[in-house]
Amino acid sequence: DAGVIQSPRHEVTEMGQEVTLRCKPISGHNSLFWYRQTMMRGLELLIYFNNNVPIDDSGMPEDRFSAKMPNASFSTLKIQPSEPRDSAVYFCASSRVVGANVLTFGAGSRLTVL
Amino acid sequence: TQLLEQSPQFLSIQEGENLTVYCNSSSVFSSLQWYRQEPGEGPVLLVTVVTGGEVKKLKRLTFQFGDARKDSSLHITAAQPGDTGLYLCAGARTNAGKSTFGDGTTLTVKP
Repeated sequence: DAGVIQSPRHEVTEMGQEVTLRCKPISGHNSLFWYRQTMMRGLELLIYFNNNVPIDDSGMPEDRFSAKMPNASFSTLKIQPSEPRDSAVYFCASSRVVGANVLTFGAGSRLTVL
Repeated sequence: TQLLEQSPQFLSIQEGENLTVYCNSSSVFSSLQWYRQEPGEGPVLLVTVVTGGEVKKLKRLTFQFGDARKDSSLHITAAQPGDTGLYLCAGARTNAGKSTFGDGTTLTVKP
């Protein structure tokens, strides 16, 4: 089991550029979550999917953020245009059972927006 | 307002000491999880508790869920440097799959 795979691990970009973060959940897991972690705000849930369907995106900070899950093995989180305040570590997590609240996290994508 | 309050925020102790960290809320949770996160990695699940008053042990770690399912504690006996990390509690108020995390307790165990 390769675990939850995220890419890129690190990204440095300039303000205004588009950023795309990618996630491959564990095979057979039915729920996928995107979290953002900063020193100031801790771990914040941005959006989650059950069976590839977005269920709750109330944590997405602005319209500049969007997430998709075209199939059970892939999800993207896109920021367009990026801003310095978007700098954070973005985590993807998956859960085998919908509603189980037991998450397996990826290693994260550290984003720096200059 | 933070849904889950963790205390202390930082804890630095010597190897061999015991410690307890707390996770408190005014809300009732259907389940509560504890995770440990090391630098450069994602949080890793330690335990999940679902029943009020439940106690679970994982080697030197003891987890307790409050009777009213509003709070939890993590007790570590004879701490070791390998226990160093950020300890996070997370709770879900329903079984809808949406967990909220506390701000964490950063533990440093000195050899």
